[in-house]
Amino acid sequence: EVQLVESGGGVVQPGGSLRLSCAASGFTFNIYSMNWVRQAPGKGLECVAAISDIGGSTAYGGSVKGRFTISRDNSKNTLFLQMNSLGAEDTAVYYCAKKRSTIGGHDDFDHWGQGVLVTVSS
Amino acid sequence: DIQMTQSPSSVSASVGDRVTITCRASQIISRSYLAWYQQKPGRAPKLLIYGTSSLHSGVSSRFSGSGSETDFTLTISSLQPEDFATYYCQQANSFPWTFGQGTNLEVK
Repeated sequence: EVQLVESGGGVVQPGGSLRLSCAASGFTFNIYSMNWVRQAPGKGLECVAAISDIGGSTAYGGSVKGRFTISRDNSKNTLFLQMNSLGAEDTAVYYCAKKRSTIGGHDDFDHWGQGVLVTVSS
Repeated sequence: DIQMTQSPSSVSASVGDRVTITCRASQIISRSYLAWYQQKPGRAPKLLIYGTSSLHSGVSSRFSGSGSETDFTLTISSLQPEDFATYYCQQANSFPWTFGQGTNLEVK
């Protein structure tokens, strides 16, 4: 059974940093691209970062580019999101999401973690 | 970025009704790269349909998808109590992958 378990969320002051982790199990982690998708309270879904299967390629949404870094440790089946210079607009539930297919560079997501809440507040 | 616009934003329906949700992309996207998700309060989204019309494993056949180019639809043929939720379309044509704003399907 595929499982994605996020951790590392919490309350952080504006301008602060936080590192999210997503522990993956139940599938061959190192052959799938992975993404971080966030959802602000009461709002829709926003893909903030994507990383290829072996981590050689990354991409970022415009709202987080230059502040967030996605990475992975395939030896530990873990995905990360380093978030710096956080602002109130980054308050959201952050989900890690597994790409459905191993083929091609177009990501839809067949498995999602339970989500972790990040609150940016003084 | 490709903007995805869903309509309606909210719809009220009854068990047994047929419901259609529309998703319009701001530019032409491949049929292969349009997906639909269902999300219930406090839960992660679940994949329903990918590639415009392919049903994800384990998803009821009362869900179906169609469309092409910029206009896509999700249809629920006969609403069941467990179908009341928020639905999102997503394009995977070009990064950043973007989602519609969501359609809240509620009980009439």
